[in-house]
Amino acid sequence: AQKVTQAQTEISVVEKEDVTLDCVYETRDTTYYLFWYKQPPSGELVFLIRRNSFDEQNEISGRYSWNFQKSTSSFNFTITASQVVDSAVYFCALSEARGILTGGGNKLTFGTGTQLKVEL
Amino acid sequence: GAVVSQHPSWVICKSGTSVKIECRSLDFQATTMFWYRQFPKQSLMLMATSNEGSKATYEQGVEKDKFLINHASLTLSTLTVTSAHPEDSSFYICSAAGMVYGYTFGSGTRLTVV
Repeated sequence: AQKVTQAQTEISVVEKEDVTLDCVYETRDTTYYLFWYKQPPSGELVFLIRRNSFDEQNEISGRYSWNFQKSTSSFNFTITASQVVDSAVYFCALSEARGILTGGGNKLTFGTGTQLKVEL
Repeated sequence: GAVVSQHPSWVICKSGTSVKIECRSLDFQATTMFWYRQFPKQSLMLMATSNEGSKATYEQGVEKDKFLINHASLTLSTLTVTSAHPEDSSFYICSAAGMVYGYTFGSGTRLTVV
């Protein structure tokens, strides 16, 4: 069975601080996808990144960066120089790779989310 | 990019009535759609998976007779909450799986049963 653990329930930082959100996953599949989503108070899920299990290169997108380490089954997310607009709940999620790109789709298993509060 | 339109955004209904939530993929064909439920300050819990033209597959503990899912076309899936009760009040969100974009989520529906 797949499982995603986000041990940090809530994090509070002051604006401009860097913050790392942890994500640890469990799966028996050798091929899988990992995701991060942002959920602001309005409720919609904002896609941030998708990474397949064969690509362990770290990725940077503006103030966001992701560290994928298969050896520790972790896919951590760092926000550099945080801003108030970053305040939201962040979810890490996992899916089998089979079916995603052929349109069949497999269910996403979500972590419990981390509430990030960035204050002035 | 892929867009999934979910309606209504919010709905208030009386206990005992039924509510239908629509999820449409606007610019791609969604072979598979997923329906999630989210209680306040909790994670998204998968309710069911539906494939176009076939019966939905429900997760353990989800009442299929209460949460009716119809996936009649490659662009439309509906979730009907039948005989709604206050405990059904929640945030419902759909997700469509397409060939190019992977998963695309609707904006969610906040259901309040009074």
